[in-house]
Amino acid sequence: NAGVTQTPKFRILKIGQSMTLQCTQDMNHNYMYWYRQDPGMGLKLIYYSVGAGITDKGEVPNGYNVSRSTTEDFPLRLELAAPSQTSVYFCASRLYYGYTFGSGTRLTVV
Amino acid sequence: EDQVTQSPEALRLQEGESSSLNCSYTVSGLRGLFWYRQDPGKGPEFLFTLYSAGEEKEKERLKATLTKKESFLHITAPKPEDSATYLCAVQASGGNEKLTFGTGTRLTIIP
Repeated sequence: NAGVTQTPKFRILKIGQSMTLQCTQDMNHNYMYWYRQDPGMGLKLIYYSVGAGITDKGEVPNGYNVSRSTTEDFPLRLELAAPSQTSVYFCASRLYYGYTFGSGTRLTVV
Repeated sequence: EDQVTQSPEALRLQEGESSSLNCSYTVSGLRGLFWYRQDPGKGPEFLFTLYSAGEEKEKERLKATLTKKESFLHITAPKPEDSATYLCAVQASGGNEKLTFGTGTRLTIIP
């Protein structure tokens, strides 16, 4: 039981490049989330999904896209990376209460 | 708008010195208040969920309490391994999936 697995752990992107942050969970949780964590600020919700095929915007969705084709996977797509997207990204899942977070992806856009 | 304020920002304690962390919140109907622990370079780890004023939950040296305006995380006789950042978050009622997080309290326990 690996929990929530995020890849890659670190990535440096150039302005304008695109990439996909991968998130997989093996707990059969319906709910999945993407948060970003910036220094001195609380985690902010980017997108979430309540089940396969269903996604919705969170608090800070601009510049990101998601898809949820299976229960296990919830990738986050960055199109046209900008310096403002430099952050640590966390994927999380839950069945009821008590979110399980992944270990994060540290992204730097230069 | 939902808000969470945690204090202090940082706290240094001697091993065995008990203390409390504060989480003040405003939310349009509380569905749940959450406490997480975050170690450097890792994701938050779930500790507690509190649902209503007066509720208390305990886990080892930690006890979380809830009133209508704030929550406290009490740490009794802490050990160095309790050093971490402790995050508080609230979820509003009404089907809202968003957790509103505070900025955390960085706790250091000195041997």
